[in-house]
Amino acid sequence: DAGVIQSPRHEVTEMGQEVTLRCKPISGHDYLFWYRQTMMRGLELLIYFNNNVPIDDSGMPEDRFSAKMPNASFSTLKIQPSEPRDSAVYFCASSLNKGGMSKNIQYFGAGTRLSVL
Amino acid sequence: GENVEQHPSTLSVQEGDSAVIKCTYSDSASNYFPWYKQELGKGPQLIIDIRSNVGEKKDQRIAVTLNKTAKHFSLHITETQPEDSAVYFCAASKNQFYFGTGTSLTVIP
Repeated sequence: DAGVIQSPRHEVTEMGQEVTLRCKPISGHDYLFWYRQTMMRGLELLIYFNNNVPIDDSGMPEDRFSAKMPNASFSTLKIQPSEPRDSAVYFCASSLNKGGMSKNIQYFGAGTRLSVL
Repeated sequence: GENVEQHPSTLSVQEGDSAVIKCTYSDSASNYFPWYKQELGKGPQLIIDIRSNVGEKKDQRIAVTLNKTAKHFSLHITETQPEDSAVYFCAASKNQFYFGTGTSLTVIP
């Protein structure tokens, strides 16, 4: 399996622009997670889906952030409008339910490094 | 919610020495504790995990110990090698994962 695939790897944009990050989870996995990583705050969970349905979005920082999962093989994280403080590495991860999410291994993609100027 | 603290934030060891990274957690209901290794430019990769019904687990040069009473768990790397240099994250989980802030390990040849 190719693992979790994220695109783009790097994104540079100007403040106020819309940014869309993409994720393809591992085939057959039923959980998908979006994380943000910064030096100051480490790895923060933004939102996660189970069977394409958003379960917990309490980590989404503001209404400017939105995430969708239209099908089992694709998810997007959108920031509109983007701000310099959104600059970070955004990771997508997926896992397979083995009887309780806490027992599931999360597999991470390589991340998207976002720079908002 | 859960609060995971990780120490130290940076660690340098000589090749061949051991490295120990410690984490504490606050929610006694957490029952799964994975450790992830993140190399430069890559996403975190699971290296070892432990569940709350086990006190210790070992995989070659890597071991993890868990003290549920004290709510802390540790990663032990023996006979360190330069390729062990990376950032290591602990996490505690009941439902979702709560990550520590990471430890940057440098193994000096």
